[in-house]
Formats: sequence, C-alpha cells, structure tokens
Amino acid sequence: AQKITQTQPGMFVQEKEAVTLDCTYDTSDPSYGLFWYKQPSSGEMIFLIYQGSYDQQNATEGRYSLNFQKARKSANLVISASQLGDSAMYFCAMREGGNNQGGKLIFGQGTELSVKP
Amino acid sequence: DAGVIQSPRHEVTEMGQEVTLRCKPISGHNSLFWYRQTMMRGLELLIYFNNNVPIDDSGMPEDRFSAKMPNASFSTLKIQPSEPRDSAVYFCASSKTSGVYNEQFFGPGTRLTVL
Repeated sequence: AQKITQTQPGMFVQEKEAVTLDCTYDTSDPSYGLFWYKQPSSGEMIFLIYQGSYDQQNATEGRYSLNFQKARKSANLVISASQLGDSAMYFCAMREGGNNQGGKLIFGQGTELSVKP
Repeated sequence: DAGVIQSPRHEVTEMGQEVTLRCKPISGHNSLFWYRQTMMRGLELLIYFNNNVPIDDSGMPEDRFSAKMPNASFSTLKIQPSEPRDSAVYFCASSKTSGVYNEQFFGPGTRLTVL
C-alpha cells in the first residue's frame, strides 16, 4: 500500500537560512508523482513543486527544490533563503500512475515550519 | 482566472441535520476531488471524479456521505444525517489530465462544525 511519511512534526529556521523538510514514501508502482503543498494559517492548499518518478533531474521552482533520492524513496523539500512568509504547514503527497492519469493524492501528516526573524 | 470555488466557507449545524457542500472546479479541468482534513486523520481523499464519473469512492466513510457531479462545473458532497465526528475542513480540488504535472488545485475549503 502506498504511504507517505513526514517525520518532522515541527521545524524552526532562521530567516534567510535554508531548511530541509523530510519526506519518505512507499509504493510498488514504478510510475508515480510526488508533490509538495503549503498550507498557511489561512487554510488554503498551495501547490509548490512536483517530481515525477522518471525525472532525471531534481525539480526546482524558485526558492524551492526537491532532493529526490529514488533508491531511498525520499523526496525532501529544500527551501532556500527562508522568509517570514514561509511559516506554514507543508505537506508531501504522492500520486501513483503516470502524469496523464488523474488520481488521488496520498498525503503525509505534514511538517509545521516556523521562520524566526 | 477563478480558482476552485467552494460554498459555504463555514457551516455550523446540529447533529442529525443534512449538510450539503458545493464545489465549482476550475473551467477546463476534468478531474474533481473531495478531501477531508482533521487533526486526527490528516488529509484524506473521500471521492474523486474523472469526466463527471465517480472513479474511487473508497474513502467515503459510510452511507451517510454521498457525492454527485451532475456536470463538469458543479459537484456536491452531502452528509445526511450529520454527526459531531464529521466536523472537519472539507476541500474540493480539481485538475486536468492534460496538464504538465496534473497538479491538483484546491479550493479554500468548507469548515464544518456539527454540534
């Protein structure tokens, strides 16, 4: 059964520093996608970054990058140059199947990130 | 472009009452998802539709929950009768299978409180 694990319930980081949020997954499907979402205190879910299982390079989106280690089944989110507005809950999620398939997301429990000024 | 629209944003009701949550997906998206978020269980999928057809409803808790998608621009999630344990934030999300990542775009959620 597919599973997503986020082992850090809460993290602190100093403003302008980089932070890594951990995510490990488990699936038997060779084709899958990994997502990170941000949920600020206002409650909305904001898509940040995507990594496909067959992607050769780690995904990057602005200050967000994904450290994808397929053999270890990990997909850690790296946020560079943290800003106060990065304080939020961060969720790792996985979808089995190829990119052209609609499919449900399985979410981890989330990591609450607090950025200190 | 308008994002996913959900109504109501907040709902307070009494146990036993019927509750209907509404969702309008992003125009052009062909997949629609209903999720529930609670402190205990986190974010979990209830049901999803592809081209208005229910594909996976294995997450629907019990017969008290039902969901419909009569057309591409509207979906409802109904709880009848509601119970206090149904209190949660209910998210609707949509995506299009032709998208680059096929990422899901979430609505603002409906916060349901059942007294």
